[in-house]
Amino acid sequence: DIQMTQSPASLSASVGDRVTITCRASQTINNYLNWYQQKPGKAPKLLIYATSSLQGGVPSRFSGGGSGTDFTLTISSLQPEDFATYYCHQSYSFPWTFGQGTKVEIK
Amino acid sequence: QVQLVESGGGVVQPGRSLRVSCAASGFTFSNFAMHWVRQAPGKGLEWVAVISSDGSRKNYADSAKGRLTISRDNSKDTLYLQMDSLRTEDTAVYYCARDLAATYPEYFQHWGQGTLVTVSS
Repeated sequence: DIQMTQSPASLSASVGDRVTITCRASQTINNYLNWYQQKPGKAPKLLIYATSSLQGGVPSRFSGGGSGTDFTLTISSLQPEDFATYYCHQSYSFPWTFGQGTKVEIK
Repeated sequence: QVQLVESGGGVVQPGRSLRVSCAASGFTFSNFAMHWVRQAPGKGLEWVAVISSDGSRKNYADSAKGRLTISRDNSKDTLYLQMDSLRTEDTAVYYCARDLAATYPEYFQHWGQGTLVTVSS
């Protein structure tokens, strides 16, 4: 199975900050890397697919990058509604796996 | 708009069975692969299973093989997860999710709100 490791596990940031979350795969997954946002008590929501493609309706302050085994999710200017947990997900091979999540909290 | 509504969750004893359902609307259900993803209380996301648009192809997480069975009824626009020999570690919110694609899954494009399954004596 492909292991996905996110860092950090949590972070505290202020509104307006630039935030970067990293995700590392245990083997190459090409660009089959997706990012989801989950708020407490709610279902996850797709933000980024195929490493860097923005899902429709997602603000442009979210961006994704990387290749091979190392990927990033960047929020260019953190907004109050962005405080949530973020998960990376590989869809390169079954079983599909997620990172353990990064909780973004208010400083 | 795409709507996925899960139902059938509840409290069940270890070793018993339960079937959860996901009713789809707002799109042509038979054109898309569908998934189940679960989340134990306070934990991260775990992919469970996927079924192709016509039901001919299925894949499972190791934790699901032999006990959890994904199926669909395209005439009823409904996805199912039959869960047998339930264990306490199956306690989770179960989400259904629609894929982008029909046959070769790509990612979870839309999610339902989830249904809670609690396995406890």
